[in-house]
Amino acid sequence: DAKTTQPNSMESNEEEPVHLPCNHSTISGTDYIHWYRQLPSQGPEYVIHGLTSNVNNRMASLAIAEDRKSSTLILHRATLRDAAVYYCILPTGNQFYFGTGTSLTVIP
Amino acid sequence: EPEVTQTPSHQVTQMGQEVILRCVPISNHLYFYWYRQILGQKVEFLVSFYNNEISEKSEIFDDQFSVERPDGSNFTLKIRSTKLEDSAMYFCASMATGPLGEQYFGPGTRLTVT
Repeated sequence: DAKTTQPNSMESNEEEPVHLPCNHSTISGTDYIHWYRQLPSQGPEYVIHGLTSNVNNRMASLAIAEDRKSSTLILHRATLRDAAVYYCILPTGNQFYFGTGTSLTVIP
Repeated sequence: EPEVTQTPSHQVTQMGQEVILRCVPISNHLYFYWYRQILGQKVEFLVSFYNNEISEKSEIFDDQFSVERPDGSNFTLKIRSTKLEDSAMYFCASMATGPLGEQYFGPGTRLTVT
């Protein structure tokens, strides 16, 4: 079920942009790319999702490569509250499989 | 802002006992999910539910598990005969439209099997 690959961990300084990569080389033409995050001791939280075009919302931006084999979640200005595990997910039907994600540490 | 609620927040039970975990999804949402997370491990999909029936389930969701939407508001997960390895956080989620929309997760129920 693991169709995505993410680095285990990343660090960022507070108030700097963060680029979280995800590889999904076996993505099909109809697979959406979803990002969720899990703050410590909380349930997962939706961040953003997209299909082909880059997407922006109040939390983040999603940049999708032209061949769709990779994507990058961009936090424009990291805050301490953004310290979490970030998951890149390609849902299969109505199933969402969370991998191990990227643990983001934000340094004050 | 509407939210998914789960009760109880912590449940302790003895091995072999039945437990029912309860969730109240966001009103007018149509898709419902259960996940579990064993301490220190990844979030694992258990089951999805739509139109009063299971739409997808994982290998974890065996005959010991069942889900139900007994009325218009609650969504329950039942474990018939708990095992030590069922100890985990159980998260409920709901989605308005889908299956590719935004899932809203509840705060979870910590199940401890002794």
